[in-house]
This record gives sequence, C-alpha cells and structure tokens, in this order.
Amino acid sequence: GQQLNQSPQSMFIQEGEDVSMNCTSSSIFNTWLWYKQDPGEGPVLLIALYKAGELTSNGRLTAQFGITRKDSFLNISASIPSDVGIYFCAGQLGVGSKLTFGKGITLSVRP
Amino acid sequence: EAGVAQSPRYKIIEKRQSVAFWCNPISGHATLYWYQQILGQGPKLLIQFQNNGVVDDSQLPKDRFSAERLKGVDSTLKIQPAKLEDSAVYLCASSRAVTYEQYFGPGTRLTVT
Repeated sequence: GQQLNQSPQSMFIQEGEDVSMNCTSSSIFNTWLWYKQDPGEGPVLLIALYKAGELTSNGRLTAQFGITRKDSFLNISASIPSDVGIYFCAGQLGVGSKLTFGKGITLSVRP
Repeated sequence: EAGVAQSPRYKIIEKRQSVAFWCNPISGHATLYWYQQILGQGPKLLIQFQNNGVVDDSQLPKDRFSAERLKGVDSTLKIQPAKLEDSAVYLCASSRAVTYEQYFGPGTRLTVT
C-alpha cells in the first residue's frame, strides 16, 4: 500500500531557530497536507497544497508540494514553545479520496 | 462553530469485551470519518460515510468492527470482541462533502488489557 516516510522521528531545536521537515512517498499524490497534533487532541490542518511545485505560507509556516508529486516539505521559522507537537504529512490521490498519513515527527523546542 | 465531539474520552476494557464510541460531527458536515491511531503512528482510515452511506470501509476489520450513521449525523463505532492490538486512539473527523479539509475530534483513547 501507499506509505509516507517522515524522518527523523524526533527533532530538538532551540527557541528562535528555523526547522525543516520532509515527507517522501514511493507513489504520487495529488494533494499534500500538513497537520499538527497536540497531546490529547486530534490533528489540526496547518497547510494544504493542491498543485505540484506550489509554495504556500501560513504565518511562520511554509510548505512546498514537490515537482515529482512524491514529496513535500514544511518549514517553521523563528520557532516558539507552542510549536511543540507532532507534525504529520498526509497525501490524498483525489477529491474525496482517503488521506494517507506519515508516522509523524515529534518537535521539541528548548526555551 | 462547535467542533467534532467524541465520547467517551478514555475507555479501558478487557480483551473479548465489547466497546462503542460516539461521534457528533460539525453541523452541516455530510462526510464523516473514523480513524485508528496506534501509538507512534499516523491516523489510519477505518471507514468513511457520505451522509448515511458508506463510501470506503476497505480498511475496517469487519469481523469485529462495525460502524453506523443511521440518520446521517451522529455515528457510532463498535468493536466486538476487542483484542489487545485494538488499543489505540479512535479519531472521528468530518468535512463538508468533497472538500479536502477534515476537522478532527479529540479522540477516544482505548486500552485493552
């Protein structure tokens, strides 16, 4: 089946630093999404990407949909303590089709 | 706007027992999803409803899991009988039909002992 690869499993950064996360797939997706999950909560959508090559920003977050449609990255600039959480990438083949999630990256921010 | 509601938030049962989870989606959302999230993994879709019809249940273990959305609003997910490997967080999500954004509830954490 389709799999999304996210690594490393955990990242530790200093407050104020930028961080970049990657997500790769062996198969093509036509939509890429990035979610953040806080402890005891469901995932919350951060950014959605609908077109290969698309670069989208949401505040301090920037994400890109890879040209090959097999990868995406998420950048967080000037990290703050509330950026702590688990970041998941998810791919979708088409409108209404199921989301396939990666295993997530746990981000820790040291004050 | 109220978010997706789920209950209970936590449940501990013994293996071979039955359990049911309830989900109330965001008002007006026609599409409802149940996901299973095992510790250290991303959510995995179990079943997707469009109104009260099943769109995708290909990853639902139908020998023990069942779900219904009889009036096209609330939904219940049942496990009968539970196994140890069913320990996970069960997330409900909803969306307006055929849009990408799914809104997730807080989940029900199930522990099977």
